[in-house]
Amino acid sequence: GAGVSQSPRYKVAKRGQDVALRCDPISGHVSLFWYQQALGQGPEFLTYFQNEAQLDKSGLPSDRFFAERPEGSVSTLKIQRTQQEDSAVYLCASSLESGIDSGYTFGSGTRLTVV
Amino acid sequence: SQQGEEDPQALSIQEGENATMNCSYKTSINNLQWYRQNSGRGLVHLILIRSNEREKHSGRLRVTLDTSKKSSSLLITASRAADTASYFCATDYDYKLSFGAGTTVTVRA
Repeated sequence: GAGVSQSPRYKVAKRGQDVALRCDPISGHVSLFWYQQALGQGPEFLTYFQNEAQLDKSGLPSDRFFAERPEGSVSTLKIQRTQQEDSAVYLCASSLESGIDSGYTFGSGTRLTVV
Repeated sequence: SQQGEEDPQALSIQEGENATMNCSYKTSINNLQWYRQNSGRGLVHLILIRSNEREKHSGRLRVTLDTSKKSSSLLITASRAADTASYFCATDYDYKLSFGAGTTVTVRA
């Protein structure tokens, strides 16, 4: 597609519920990133994929967070047993490849509210 | 943790005026990027400046980079109402982007 697509746009989850957030990157983009943006803050790095390989998951806040990209295109960020502190906008970004001087294309994000 | 810090946190200007915001960072970088975020939307890449560059222009945008001071500035000239948004600097090192907390710019008609 023309841009990075994320779904759903909004998600309300009851505390303790599991959620799955989807990211459809630009076709052919090798690198895919997930970021978490709390209200009034800048995005914080969560995890990075190069094709299907998850090369860095150092930003995942806890073992309740899990991300995958099994075929090197679509990625899913799963949060188990959601807590109120998980409420944030989750942004996905992709780029042709990392390590070169180019900007990243971000999706519109999924706003997760845990009640 | 946030690597960069933008200054000011908020800026209100009249249409047609210039807007300047600054960014300071702490560690080595490959490049520094500026992004715009409209309320409730994703980030839009505006401009990238490499670590060996000092100044770059793109349309009404001018970015400077001083690696000795670990700082950058973004100038938007002849601002328009559509420039109302939050602006973030992000440092790029080893594929990770580290963002500041952003500058909220309001352009009054």
